[in-house]
Amino acid sequence: AQSVSQHNHHVILSEAASLELGCNYSYGGTVNLFWYVQYPGQHLQLLLKYFSGDPLVKGIKGFEAEFIKSKFSFNLRKPSVQWSDTAEYFCAVMGNYGGATNKLIFGTGTLLAVQP
Amino acid sequence: NAGVTQTPKFRVLKTGQSMTLLCAQDMNHEYMYWYRQDPGMGLRLIHYSVGEGTTAKGEVPDGYNVSRLKKQNFLLGLESAAPSQTSVYFCASTSRGVNTEAFFGQGTRLTVV
Repeated sequence: AQSVSQHNHHVILSEAASLELGCNYSYGGTVNLFWYVQYPGQHLQLLLKYFSGDPLVKGIKGFEAEFIKSKFSFNLRKPSVQWSDTAEYFCAVMGNYGGATNKLIFGTGTLLAVQP
Repeated sequence: NAGVTQTPKFRVLKTGQSMTLLCAQDMNHEYMYWYRQDPGMGLRLIHYSVGEGTTAKGEVPDGYNVSRLKKQNFLLGLESAAPSQTSVYFCASTSRGVNTEAFFGQGTRLTVV
């Protein structure tokens, strides 16, 4: 069965600090990986996605993530955070059965607070 | 192009009442999903559908029913609402295929008193 673990539940950073949020998944097949962001009072927005190819993917707003297959990880990074990055971040995994059931499973989320 | 639309956006129910949440997508997607979001628990999959006329249980299906009579619509029903079902509900859809991403609705905030 698929599962997703986000180990950092609540992160507090000062502006300009670097960010790394951990995400590990459990799944035996090919996966598509995603990071979503949810700003206060808003719905989910896609930050970035990995399907195949270069394991380092770049998303919007200066975010990037690295897929490390051997570690079943897809950590999110940003070199320098801003106050406007304050939000909740969700890692998600979609199992790829080659066209069969594609279940999208989320981690429990990481609440990021950036202090000015 | 509206994408994924959820109705209603807000609702307050009394314990024991029933209601149906509607999710409509105009992208001709095969797969549709219902999630609930609760603080500290992320988004948990309630039910999902891989095509018209087919549904399957997700992680937390108890107390909910779903139907997918038309490809573009996925309905989530609460037959007898309970306070534990107070949550924000999100619908999503994806296309069939290898490299797909989910598109989400704006959410429905449901309070059961």
